[in-house]
Amino acid sequence: DIQMTQSPSSLSASVGDRVTITCRASQDINNYLAWFQQKPGKAPKSLIYAASSLQSGVPSKFSGSGSGTDFTLTISSLQPEDFATYYCQQYKSYPLTFGGGTKVEI
Amino acid sequence: EVQVVESGGGLVQPGRSLRLSCAASGFTFNTYNMNWVRQAPGKGLEWLSYISSSGFTIYYADSVKGRFTISRDNAKNSLYLQMNSLRAEDTAVYYCARTIYLDYWGQGTPVTVSS
Repeated sequence: DIQMTQSPSSLSASVGDRVTITCRASQDINNYLAWFQQKPGKAPKSLIYAASSLQSGVPSKFSGSGSGTDFTLTISSLQPEDFATYYCQQYKSYPLTFGGGTKVEI
Repeated sequence: EVQVVESGGGLVQPGRSLRLSCAASGFTFNTYNMNWVRQAPGKGLEWLSYISSSGFTIYYADSVKGRFTISRDNAKNSLYLQMNSLRAEDTAVYYCARTIYLDYWGQGTPVTVSS
């Protein structure tokens, strides 16, 4: 199975900050990587697929980059509605696997 | 508008069974692969099972293999998860999600396994 490791597991930030979250795969997954945002009590929401492609309706302040084993999610200017937990997920092969999550807090 | 809506969760005793359903709308269901994912209380996301658009290809996580069965009825735009021999550690919110990169999720249905 492909292991996904996210860092940090949590971070404190302020409105307006630029935030970067890292995800590392245990083997080469090309660009088969997705990012999700989850708010408390809600379902995860797809933000990015294919490492850098924005899902329809997702604001451009979210961006993804990387290929192979190392990936990043960047939020360019953090807003109050962005405080949430973020997950990466590989879909190079089954079983699909997720990172442990990064909680973005004030 | 793409929608997937899970149902069928609830409180069940250990060792018993439960069947979850996922009703899809707003897209051509029979052309999309589907997945089940769960999230235990306070924990991260765990993929459980995949079924291809035709239903011919199926995968399971080791944690549920032999106990859970995924199926679909394309005529009814519905996805199912039959869960047998439930354990306390199966307590979670269960989500259905579309495609291999999980682009649309339902709101989830909670399952509690407890005596």
